[in-house]
Amino acid sequence: KQEVTQIPAALSVPEGENLVLNCSFTDSAIYNLQWFRQDPGKGLTSLLLIQSSQREQTSGRLNASLDKSSGRSTLYIAASQPGDSATYLCAPDRGSTLGRLYFGRGTQLTVWP
Amino acid sequence: NAGVTQTPKFQVLKTGQSMTLQCAQDMNHNSMYWYRQDPGMGLRLIYYSASEGTTDKGEVPNGYNVSRLNKREFSLRLESAAPSQTSVYFCASSRQGQGNQPQHFGDGTRLSIL
Repeated sequence: KQEVTQIPAALSVPEGENLVLNCSFTDSAIYNLQWFRQDPGKGLTSLLLIQSSQREQTSGRLNASLDKSSGRSTLYIAASQPGDSATYLCAPDRGSTLGRLYFGRGTQLTVWP
Repeated sequence: NAGVTQTPKFQVLKTGQSMTLQCAQDMNHNSMYWYRQDPGMGLRLIYYSASEGTTDKGEVPNGYNVSRLNKREFSLRLESAAPSQTSVYFCASSRQGQGNQPQHFGDGTRLSIL
């Protein structure tokens, strides 16, 4: 089974800071890893998908890196804004169960003005 | 641009009642998924359907049944609801089998079992 751990569980920062959210997983035989954000009372929005052959993926102020061999991924958020406040979820799949995602408990981010 | 649509958004049931949660996607995706999300836990997969006509159990299938009605629709049924099934249920879809594609999620159904 794929076990996913996200650190920290919660983070509160002032606007403008650069942030690092960490994710570790136990089974390194993955095809993809997705990062999602979830706003309160809402569904999940896909932010980035990193393929196992890639080391990083970028979208605007977001950059996700993947070290498959060590079972780690990191989400960098540059110049954080209050609108970035949400819960961020990491979800690798597992090579033997194509398409199925395994979720961590998330990092709850608060960015205050 | 509807994406993944779930109905209903909220529901309260009594123990022992049955109900069906509906999910439909308009992105021509072949794979669909049902997850549940409980406080302090990550999302857990209940059932999934890799393609029309196939369904498979996920991590927590007990107490649930599913039907892949057609390519667009994937329903989740609770035959005899129990308080332990109080949760937020999410449906998702993706285009697996055609490269690396992200999963897209609906807004969820908030279900309370009394």
